[in-house]
Amino acid sequence: QKEVEQNSGPLSVPEGAIASLNCTYSDRVSQSFFWYRQYSGKSPELIMSIYSNGDKEDGRFTAQLNKASQYVSLLIRDSQPSDSATYLCAVRITGGGNKLTFGTGTQLKVEL
Amino acid sequence: ETGVTQSPTHLIKTRGQQVTLRCSSQSGHNTVSWYQQALGQGPQFIFQYYREEENGRGNFPPRFSGLQFPNYSSELNVNALELDDSALYLCASKGIDGSYNEQFFGPGTRLTVL
Repeated sequence: QKEVEQNSGPLSVPEGAIASLNCTYSDRVSQSFFWYRQYSGKSPELIMSIYSNGDKEDGRFTAQLNKASQYVSLLIRDSQPSDSATYLCAVRITGGGNKLTFGTGTQLKVEL
Repeated sequence: ETGVTQSPTHLIKTRGQQVTLRCSSQSGHNTVSWYQQALGQGPQFIFQYYREEENGRGNFPPRFSGLQFPNYSSELNVNALELDDSALYLCASKGIDGSYNEQFFGPGTRLTVL
């Protein structure tokens, strides 16, 4: 079982819709959770971090964490064509220093 | 603005050669991590440097080595290059204004091994 799993997609949503991206992780001592956005040919850009169970909202983005189910998700409201990118879920475990373990990413396509 | 810079942007090498990649952070943070991202994959942790010492390593062979300097800039060295070393190499550090928990990536170095 992979440590961090994401559906590779592509996930296609119409402009203005809500995009829902999901991630599961296997290590129960996982402590910190991050979502990075990566445009083709560019480096990953941090868009959300979440550390506690529940929801965290930042503009059009909402991260949701459920440690009991080992599940973290990212919702993008009012999706725009500029949101089309690969979204990477990353996890840091307790005692792991700064090491991040990434999923393979979900490709999101927002269609006009 | 992440404040993390890397050089060079692109590099082409042949099998068996050696390469050095560089990274610096405006924040002057004392921890830097290096990652390798192959095409279609998520970044894979290579190692981390803290106050000039390697402090954590992923599943990479010893021909991947690094240095961190007193100003906390860093180098990644790869010896005896193999075709599979072709990837985007990323360094990550604390951002200028970010919390300790958050890491920001530099623009990366695209390495092609022929």
